[in-house]
Amino acid sequence: DAGITQSPRHKVTETGTPVTLRCHQTENHRYMYWYRQDPGHGLRLIHYSYGVKDTDKGEVSDGYSVSRSKTEDFLLTLESATSSQTSVYFCATSPLAGEQYFGPGTRLTVT
Amino acid sequence: DQQVKQNSPSLSVQEGRISILNCDYTNSMFDYFLWYKKYPAEGPTFLISISSIKDKNEDGRFTVFLNKSAKHLSLHIVPSQPGDSAVYFCAASELSGGGADGLTFGKGTHLIIQP
Repeated sequence: DAGITQSPRHKVTETGTPVTLRCHQTENHRYMYWYRQDPGHGLRLIHYSYGVKDTDKGEVSDGYSVSRSKTEDFLLTLESATSSQTSVYFCATSPLAGEQYFGPGTRLTVT
Repeated sequence: DQQVKQNSPSLSVQEGRISILNCDYTNSMFDYFLWYKKYPAEGPTFLISISSIKDKNEDGRFTVFLNKSAKHLSLHIVPSQPGDSAVYFCAASELSGGGADGLTFGKGTHLIIQP
């Protein structure tokens, strides 16, 4: 395993509040990713990072921002949470393009 | 438009028999394919991958077959065991284009192994 942790593991928040999810890795992998998993959609890419301070948008990036100030940490922020952002969020890392290793996930509920 | 399709939401197989999970893709730029296994309340776990320069890759009980002309791949599990009951995701990427911009996933197939 790639030594990936996500925090928090579960969170309930109200519509309109900001939320930050953290992904931490101990493998010194260059690439990091945020996905969301929803019923009927599989996993969809939100944002990714190819190095410190280098990030780019994925398929479903609207309403999300990310930051990566250190190799080991990749933060996903919902500036103003909406009910449509209720989902399970997975972080993944990769030492190079190709195979990715996933964290345990964060279940976010926006009420 | 869904670029990776798993058309069977679920599949039930008897223990000891062969499980065959199918995946189709539409993007001809995809050149690297992966299968992930996912248990409830856990993250996906990498199973096996195949590059487009191959048509078969084998790892123990798991074999992935790739038919580029048909844009189709399949995962064979033989013999199937109770611990194989999980959701299986097919994923694809463009390694030749750098490949760092994430994986494209199918919706998953829930495999149920019957005793």
